[in-house]
Amino acid sequence: DAKTTQPNSMESNEEEPVHLPCNHSTISGTDYIHWYRQLPSQGPEYVIHGLTSNVNNRMASLAIAEDRKSSTLILHRATLRDAAVYYCILRKYNFNKFYFGSGTKLNVKP
Amino acid sequence: DTEVTQTPKHLVMGMTNKKSLKCEQHMGHRAMYWYKQKAKKPPELMFVYSYEKLSINESVPSRFSPECPNSSLLNLHLHALQPEDSALYLCASSQPTGKDTGELFFGEGSRLTVL
Repeated sequence: DAKTTQPNSMESNEEEPVHLPCNHSTISGTDYIHWYRQLPSQGPEYVIHGLTSNVNNRMASLAIAEDRKSSTLILHRATLRDAAVYYCILRKYNFNKFYFGSGTKLNVKP
Repeated sequence: DTEVTQTPKHLVMGMTNKKSLKCEQHMGHRAMYWYKQKAKKPPELMFVYSYEKLSINESVPSRFSPECPNSSLLNLHLHALQPEDSALYLCASSQPTGKDTGELFFGEGSRLTVL
């Protein structure tokens, strides 16, 4: 199964954009790129996912490199409530396997 | 209803006890999952059920026994656990294979302490 690599931690100022990177150099053509986040004392929650094209939703944007070996989760205006651990995950189409990488702990400063 | 409900929220048990964790969802999802999460670590996949059949067992010790009695319920039976099994146990559900909604819905977890 393909693996993901993320920085251990990042810091951002409130109301500024945040770019969270993820490397997945061994990604295959049928792997979807998923992002989840986990707030303290809660279960992970879905943020966004994509296959090849960039994706936007109300929470974030996902930018996928042309060769798909990396992706970036973009929070357009970080708030204190966005402080969490963000996980980049590869899910193989037609397989119910979601393997979490080590994640990036995002700290948002007021 | 977009909730996954896990009970109990906290459980303390001895190494000789038998207990169960319960998970329930009413979103019509036909795939359900158990994850184990140790402090400051990512969730680790344990089991996956698809259409009420066990489809993935990540070489989990037999002292953990999953059960999916119907499409809404998932249980994890615990017996003869070790102190190192103390962790947060997370349940999740999703659409099954072949459907690209892709989203996993997680419960808040059951925090297990083994004495």
